[in-house]
Amino acid sequence: DVKVTQSSRYLVKRTGEKVFLECVQDMDHENMFWYRQDPGLGLRLIYFSYDVKMKEKGDIPEGYSVSREKKERFSLILESASTNQTSMYLCASSFPDGLYEQYFGPGTRLTVT
Amino acid sequence: GDSVTQMEGPVTLSEEACLTINCTYTATGYPSLFWYVQYPGEGLQLLLKATKADDKGSNKGFEATYRKETTSFHLEKGSVQVSDSAVYFCALRYRGSQGNLIFGKGTKLSVKP
Repeated sequence: DVKVTQSSRYLVKRTGEKVFLECVQDMDHENMFWYRQDPGLGLRLIYFSYDVKMKEKGDIPEGYSVSREKKERFSLILESASTNQTSMYLCASSFPDGLYEQYFGPGTRLTVT
Repeated sequence: GDSVTQMEGPVTLSEEACLTINCTYTATGYPSLFWYVQYPGEGLQLLLKATKADDKGSNKGFEATYRKETTSFHLEKGSVQVSDSAVYFCALRYRGSQGNLIFGKGTKLSVKP
């Protein structure tokens, strides 16, 4: 069974803290993605990576950074968490061509107080 | 730019009713089209896909046909069940690209017994 796992299902952090969200996939996929999901806004792409140590900005990269040191792992970093980053964060992975679907993790619901 | 437009929700139906969720897209090329489903408390999972014009994707009693002439990919099911209650997302992705999925905003479906 294909698997994308995320380090936490629920996370509560304080304003100004540095936050790490981890994502691991076991399908040897080249591409990995981070989205945030908010009511009424659907899913918005934060960053994606198509190879180790490669990254591309998505639609809403401000306030976030990413790290991909190994093929199977893609980390999202909130350098200084703010309340407007309270959201559901979804990680996904896929083979590189758009013919192939993306596989999603279960999501991390982050609350910043 | 490229975009996906879904019918607004929420949609409430009785068990065994027919379902149609409209999805239209704007794209300069010939993307692959997807329907994803998100059950309560879970990440997204692929429901069905179509990779070229006139293809029909089907899964779990759901169907959608890639209509290039109307740029549509409507999701249909003849008889819904309570277990179909979820949020449904239409999405497109370009073949031959490294690119991300472009999602619609999602349509929440509630099925009452």
